Amino acid sequence: QSVLTQPPSVSAAPGQKVTISCSGSSSNIGNNFVSWYQQLPGSAPKALIYENNKRPSGIPDRFSGSKSGTSATLGITGLQTGDEAHYYCETWDSSLSTVLFGGGTKLTVL
Amino acid sequence: EVQLVESGGGLVQPGGSLRLSCAASGFTFSSYAMHWVRQAPGKGLEYVSAISRSGGSTYYANSVKGRFTISRDNSKNTMYLQMGSLGAEDMAVYYCAVYSSGYRHWGQGTLVTVSS
Repeated sequence: QSVLTQPPSVSAAPGQKVTISCSGSSSNIGNNFVSWYQQLPGSAPKALIYENNKRPSGIPDRFSGSKSGTSATLGITGLQTGDEAHYYCETWDSSLSTVLFGGGTKLTVL
Repeated sequence: EVQLVESGGGLVQPGGSLRLSCAASGFTFSSYAMHWVRQAPGKGLEYVSAISRSGGSTYYANSVKGRFTISRDNSKNTMYLQMGSLGAEDMAVYYCAVYSSGYRHWGQGTLVTVSS
């Protein structure tokens, strides 16, 4: 059971928008930056969002991140079949003194 | 272009040892903290260990503390993970990653299989 809670799966149609939530506490999300990663089938993870809402170079603006209180959200607009992947949130936990990952969310583009 | 290439994975018997390497290129290796992250088959991502830019500070997940040792050689742009007392729970793909407010770059991973 992960300290950071993500929905196991989400789905939406091509062209639509989807959001993936990541819920934590004051010792992690509430007081630290959140990052998001995409893991395509059979591939290594790739950074999508860092410092809550910043995109690395090369990441399209279809991907966005936000944080409010002890929760963070990844948004993906204009869904494409190529977006089908697992998505993970990540942050530091100040009480546990460790990096935490969410359990991951599988996105299906119907 | 940033490249991280892990090596050293393979089949090891329970209780055995293995040393993983991560060769870095395309960036100033000594300017970044480096981490190991693993992923058991069909499971999510798990932080394993971290090392500061100079190598003077090291950190471990509770699950590997006392059994794994992280190190780096900035003259060779390479990071290492010495793993001991390996058990079934350590079987996973091990990724090295550049850490700077999140994992900015990842290697392709190396598979560690623990089996008799």
